[in-house]
Amino acid sequence: QSVLTQPPSVSEAPRQRVTISCSGSIPNIGNNAVNWYQKFPGKAPKLLIYYDDLRPSGVSDRFSGSRSGTSASLAISGLRSEDEADYFCAAWDDDLNGHVFGGGTKLTVL
Amino acid sequence: QVQLEESGGGVVQPGRSLRLSCVASGFTFSRYGIHWVRHSPGKGLEWVAVISDEGDNTYYADSVKGRFTISRDNSKNTLYLHMNSLRVEDTAVYYCAKDEDVVSGYMDVWGEGTTVTVSS
Repeated sequence: QSVLTQPPSVSEAPRQRVTISCSGSIPNIGNNAVNWYQKFPGKAPKLLIYYDDLRPSGVSDRFSGSRSGTSASLAISGLRSEDEADYFCAAWDDDLNGHVFGGGTKLTVL
Repeated sequence: QVQLEESGGGVVQPGRSLRLSCVASGFTFSRYGIHWVRHSPGKGLEWVAVISDEGDNTYYADSVKGRFTISRDNSKNTLYLHMNSLRVEDTAVYYCAKDEDVVSGYMDVWGEGTTVTVSS
């Protein structure tokens, strides 16, 4: 059972918008920035969003992030088939003195 | 080109030991904290451990505390994970990942991973 809670799966049609939630608590999301990672099967994770809402160079502006209180979310607009992947939220946890990940959300583009 | 490359994975029996390595290139290794993160299909991503830039601070997930040791040799641009008393549930792909800061920032560069299988 993960410290951060994500829905196991989400699905939406191409060109639509989807949001993935990430719920935590004060020691993690409440006190620290949230980062999002994209992972394809058999591939290494890739940083998608850092410091809640910033995109690394090369990441499409179709991806956006936000954080409020003890929750965060990742939004993907203009969905494409190549967005089908697993998405993980993560944050530092002050009580555990370590990073915690969400359980991951599998995105299906219908 | 900023790069991390893991090695040392394999098949090992429960209770045995294994050492993973991660060689860095393309950046000043000694300036950044480095993590080990593992992925198994049934558990998603799980953070394992992190070591600070100079190696004087280390942090571990509860699931590996007391069994795994993270270390680094900055003269060789290499990170290690010494894994003792391995359990079936340690079976996973192990990734090393560079922290953008010391230990609690985001992981901006990842290796391709090395597979550890613990089985009798």
